[in-house]
Amino acid sequence: AQSVTQLGSHVSVSEGALVLLRCNYSSSVPPYLFWYVQYPNQGLQLLLKYTTGATLVKGINGFEAEFKKSETSFHLTKPSAHMSDAAEYFCAVSGETSGSRLTFGEGTQLTVNP
Amino acid sequence: DSGVTQTPKHLITATGQRVTLRCSPRSGDLSVYWYQQSLDQGLQFLIQYYNGEERAKGNILERFSAQQFPDLHSELNLSSLELGDSALYFCASSPRAGGPVETQYFGPGTRLLVL
Repeated sequence: AQSVTQLGSHVSVSEGALVLLRCNYSSSVPPYLFWYVQYPNQGLQLLLKYTTGATLVKGINGFEAEFKKSETSFHLTKPSAHMSDAAEYFCAVSGETSGSRLTFGEGTQLTVNP
Repeated sequence: DSGVTQTPKHLITATGQRVTLRCSPRSGDLSVYWYQQSLDQGLQFLIQYYNGEERAKGNILERFSAQQFPDLHSELNLSSLELGDSALYFCASSPRAGGPVETQYFGPGTRLLVL
C-alpha cells in the first residue's frame, strides 16, 4: 500500500519569502511522486513529477522538489513566493503495483501575504 | 485549461435521487479517470476506463457506476444519493492506458450538493 502525508494543512508566507511544502510518503515499491496545484474553482494542474533519475525535479512556475529516499520525503520549494502562488497543493504517489491510481495527500493551503 | 471538460459545473439534488456526470477527455486521450474530493475523505480515486473498458477500480461505492463510450467521453452515474455523497467530482484523462508515471490531466470538476 502507498500513502502520502502532507505536514501542515495551512502554510502562510510573505510575498518574496521561501515556500516550503512538506510531503512524506510510504511505499513498499519504488514510488513515483507528483505535486499538483489546485487554484480556486479549478481542476488540478501538474506542477512536477519524479519517476526515476535525477532526484531534484524542476517544475512549472519556479517550483522544484527533491526526492530523498533516506527521508522518504518529496518536499516542494520555491525560492520566492508570488501572490499568484496562493492555492491548494497536493502531493500524490503511485507505483508499479498501483498502476495509474494516484493516492493523494490531504493537501496544503498556501496563503501568500503582501 | 487542461482540455478536459466536465458538465455540469454544479448540481443540486435531493437524497435518494440519481445523477449523471459527464466528462470529455482531451483530444486523443484514451484513458479517463474519476476522482472524488470531499472534506472528510480528501481526494480519492474512483475508477479508470481505457478505450471503453474498465481498467482499474478504487474506492467506488456500489451505488456508483461509470462507463466510457465509443467517442471516449465518460459518464459517472450516482444513484440513491446520500448527504455524504456531496463532493467535488473530478475527471482526468491521459493519452494511453495509464501506468504509474503517465501524467493525468484534470478537468474543472462537478460540484455535487445533496440536500
